[in-house]
Amino acid sequence: QKEVEQNSGPLSVPEGAIASLNCTYSDRGSQSFFWYRQYSGKSPELIMSIYSNGDKEDGRFTAQLNKASQYVSLLIRDSQPSDSATYLCAVKSGGSYIPTFGRGTSLIVHP
Amino acid sequence: EAQVTQNPRYLITVTGKKLTVTCSQNMNHEYMSWYRQDPGLGLRQIYYSMNVEVTDKGDVPEGYKVSRKEKRNFPLILESPSPNQTSLYFCASSLITGVETQYFGPGTRLLVL
Repeated sequence: QKEVEQNSGPLSVPEGAIASLNCTYSDRGSQSFFWYRQYSGKSPELIMSIYSNGDKEDGRFTAQLNKASQYVSLLIRDSQPSDSATYLCAVKSGGSYIPTFGRGTSLIVHP
Repeated sequence: EAQVTQNPRYLITVTGKKLTVTCSQNMNHEYMSWYRQDPGLGLRQIYYSMNVEVTDKGDVPEGYKVSRKEKRNFPLILESPSPNQTSLYFCASSLITGVETQYFGPGTRLLVL
């Protein structure tokens, strides 16, 4: 059974701080990693994807992947109240078309 | 505009009354999928389809049916809904090139009384 684990939170950070969201996965054959943001009652939207070890930056977001340790993280710099949402980690194994989702981490950015 | 659409967006029904939630995508995606989302349980896959006439069970298929007669459409059928199927449902689609991400529909909130 492939598992993707996330701390459910909530993670509370002050405005302007760095929010760090973590995700671990069980399948060593995983090759594709995604972070989705989901506002309450809305559909998930992709914010980052990463496929190789290291960091990938996109604006205020940085995804970090460490396949040896089987974790992927998302850093949000200069956090804004509008970043308050649930962040879902999704992982796909090599050759699989079906992602496995974590249960999500709730992030609260307070002014 | 590339999108996944679902209808209806909100539905209140009674136990046992058959219903269908439609899902359509305009991106020529091969892969389509249905999820339900419940508090504390995250996204759970109900059924998925790799192409026309090819469907398979996800993690929680009991009480649901699907069909894929056309590439763009993937309806979810609840033949005899029960209160434990009250949930938020999402349809999603993607290409099947291996690394493609999924695009989600806006969601259907279902209440079964």
